[in-house]
This record gives sequence, C-alpha cells and structure tokens, in this order.
Amino acid sequence: NAGVTQTPKFRILKIGQSMTLQCAQDMNHNYMYWYRQDPGMGLKLIYYSVGAGITDKGEVPNGYNVSRSTTEDFPLRLELAAPSQTSVYFCASIGTSGSINEQYFGPGTRLTVT
Amino acid sequence: GENVEQHPSTLSVQEGDSAVIKCTYSDSASNYFPWYKQELGKGPQLIIDIRSNVGEKKDQRIAVTLNKTAKHFSLHITETQPEDSAVYFCAASHMDSNYQLIWGAGTKLIIKP
Repeated sequence: NAGVTQTPKFRILKIGQSMTLQCAQDMNHNYMYWYRQDPGMGLKLIYYSVGAGITDKGEVPNGYNVSRSTTEDFPLRLELAAPSQTSVYFCASIGTSGSINEQYFGPGTRLTVT
Repeated sequence: GENVEQHPSTLSVQEGDSAVIKCTYSDSASNYFPWYKQELGKGPQLIIDIRSNVGEKKDQRIAVTLNKTAKHFSLHITETQPEDSAVYFCAASHMDSNYQLIWGAGTKLIIKP
C-alpha cells in the first residue's frame, strides 16, 4: 500500500500558465478531496469526489478543475495560474468500509506562482 | 455556513505536563469532529475523532471531549513528549455532507524539555 501519492512535490509557475497536480490512492477509497493550505491557516476544501465520475465543488473552487475517471486517480487542474494560487495543496482520501478512521493525506505539492 | 475557531494559536508546555486545545463550531448540525496532527513538511494525520452521539473518547495519551450544548470540543494530551511537538488542527463536518470538513486555523504545540 502506497497510500495517497502526489506529484510533483514542488512547482514554480508563471502567471497565466497551466498545470495538473496528480493524486492517486491504492486503497480503493471512494471519497477523495483536494485542499489548499495557506501559511498559518487551516485547510480549505477546493473540490471533492464521492466516486468515479462524480465531482463537486468545495469552499474555494474558483480557478480549479477536477476529474475522476477512475477510483484511484483524482487530478487537480489549474488554468491561468494566478499569484493567489500560491499555496500547498493536499490530496486526501476516505474509505467507506464503515470506519471513518480510514483517512489519509498525501505529502502535499508546494506551488508558487510568480 | 460552518465556522470553526481554534485556540490558542501557540501553546508551550513542559515535557510531561498536559496540553489542552479548544475549538468552537457554529453549525449545530455538525456531527463529526476530527483532530489532526501535522508535522513540518508533511500532510495532516488523523489522530482522533468523535461523533456527536459521544461525549468523550480516549486513545492512550490523547482524548477528545465534546459539549454539544456549548458547541465546543477539546483535545487533551497527557504526559506530553517531545514527539508531540507539531501543529494540531480541529475540524467539523456533517457526515451527510460527504465529510466536507471545515478546519480551524491550527495550534502550534511546543514541548519544552
């Protein structure tokens, strides 16, 4: 079990560029989430998915897009990057085996937009 | 919508002493309250959680208490150790909302040797 993996670990983008943050989990979890964490703050939910083919907006979805074509993968797309998107991005998954304790976060992607 | 406030923002305790971190929430419909530990450069890790049908839950040196009437919940760490130094986050959610979590701003816990 690799858990939740994220790539890349770090990235610097110029304003207006686009990129995709990758997230994968090998635990067959239905629920997956993308969060951003700004310095000294708690996490804010960007998008989430309750299963393949189903995605929904969280608190702060503007400027982002997601897709969920498989149970394992949940990529986050940034179009037209802006300095306000400088943050650390975390992907997470929750199992649905009946135990809410099956909750895992990836190691994060640190993104800087200049 | 839900709002979660967390206090204090920094807490420094002597090794071996207890630490208490408090959170308040605004939405009385919230029924799931997890706590996370985040070490430097890593993602958050779930350390304990409580549901609204329970008033207290313990796991070795950590415990969480919930007061639904006052809408606040607390994390208690006893016999603190150097490895407890980290940032701790509380969160709140309604389980029917697909576990969409609203997070507190975090508490930096410093354990002094």
